[in-house]
Amino acid sequence: SQQGEEDPQALSIQEGENATMNCSYKTSINNLQWYRQNSGRGLVHLILIRSNEREKHSGRLRVTLDTSKKSSSLLITASRAADTASYFCLPGAQKLVFGQGTRLTINP
Amino acid sequence: NAGVTQTPKFQVLKTGQSMTLQCAQDMNHEYMSWYRQDPGMGLRLIHYSVGAGITDQGEVPNGYNVSRSTTEDFPLRLLSAAPSQTSVYFCASSYNMGEKLFFGSGTQLSVL
Repeated sequence: SQQGEEDPQALSIQEGENATMNCSYKTSINNLQWYRQNSGRGLVHLILIRSNEREKHSGRLRVTLDTSKKSSSLLITASRAADTASYFCLPGAQKLVFGQGTRLTINP
Repeated sequence: NAGVTQTPKFQVLKTGQSMTLQCAQDMNHEYMSWYRQDPGMGLRLIHYSVGAGITDQGEVPNGYNVSRSTTEDFPLRLLSAAPSQTSVYFCASSYNMGEKLFFGSGTQLSVL
């Protein structure tokens, strides 16, 4: 299976600061997705980046993908209290396996 | 569109009982999957299906059965519930495997 590994496991920042989370994976992928989960609810899709893309933006989100290093990063700019959640990456491989996620806490 | 609908939302079972968790989607998605999430943990893939009549095992398939007789439905069966199966179960679907997943709201299962 192809599991993404998120780093750090937990991140706590002040509102208004930027938050960066990283994801590493082990084999070749077609794409990589990022998801958010609020308080045990179902995951919500944030962004998908394909293997031939290096960077993608969506609102305050910026995702990068480095296929040579088998890694991706998710940057949330100008964080808000509502961004408090767990974030998961999902490498696009034969089996869609999530990692443990990064728990992000935004402090007011 | 209702999206992905899971029923029930909550369920309490006794050890050894059987039950079926229902999952239905109305988006004509080919790919459907089941995950479980234990407290403070990530999601673990139980079973998945790339289309009607096709199913495959995920990371933690033991103790669970699935079938996919229609595009819309992907039920998860627990044949003999065990306390280790206490968890929150999520169903997810996408147009094709590897594309954006849509999640249901989850079923919280407790096995006593």
